[in-house]
Amino acid sequence: GAVVSQHPSWVICKSGTSVKIECRSLDFQATTMFWYRQFPKQSLMLMATSNEGSKATYEQGVEKDKFLINHASLTLSTLTVTSAHPEDSSFYICSARTGTGGLSEAFFGQGTRLTVV
Amino acid sequence: AQSVTQLGSHVSVSEGALVLLRCNYSSSVPPYLFWYVQYPNQGLQLLLKYTSAATLVKGINDFEAEFKKSETSFHLTKPSAHMSDAAEYFCAVSDFGNEKLTFGTGTRLTIIP
Repeated sequence: GAVVSQHPSWVICKSGTSVKIECRSLDFQATTMFWYRQFPKQSLMLMATSNEGSKATYEQGVEKDKFLINHASLTLSTLTVTSAHPEDSSFYICSARTGTGGLSEAFFGQGTRLTVV
Repeated sequence: AQSVTQLGSHVSVSEGALVLLRCNYSSSVPPYLFWYVQYPNQGLQLLLKYTSAATLVKGINDFEAEFKKSETSFHLTKPSAHMSDAAEYFCAVSDFGNEKLTFGTGTRLTIIP
């Protein structure tokens, strides 16, 4: 199947700094990518939908200025956590669909564990 | 709006026993339903999906699920559990025009030797 690569797989940063997470579709073009956040022992919560060449669509309650999303190409989307705080510590997962609509399969990155100290 | 309910946040079965993970959905339009597996500190891997074709769906690693509209259910089963099946399992729903997946809260499957 298609491969979605996420980098880094884990990161520790100091409170107040910014962290960038990359999500790449390695063998297909992804018009749309999705960013999820997963708290320990909880489900995935959709944060935003990233569209190539346009602004991301954020879910209700997600701070746009804190979680900056850039989808500069059909194979790369980035999530930047700005001015990170300990409460931002979480597991962040991206996914990309191979096509459009609900029938297209979603492939997930391996996730990034962010720890803010 | 769509939603998914997974009954049982934690299920334990003996190796070789039947695995049954429950999922009920709510959707105002015909749903597409998915089961994903997540191993520790990893992303999600698709096990199987229902997209309005056959109601009994077979997936990888001998997992299967049956779509029952009358019960709004999409339970995941496997005839014989293996130690490598220990993981977190998520049921998810979307619809034809919606690329967003709505996930259930997950079920952690433990296999007892």
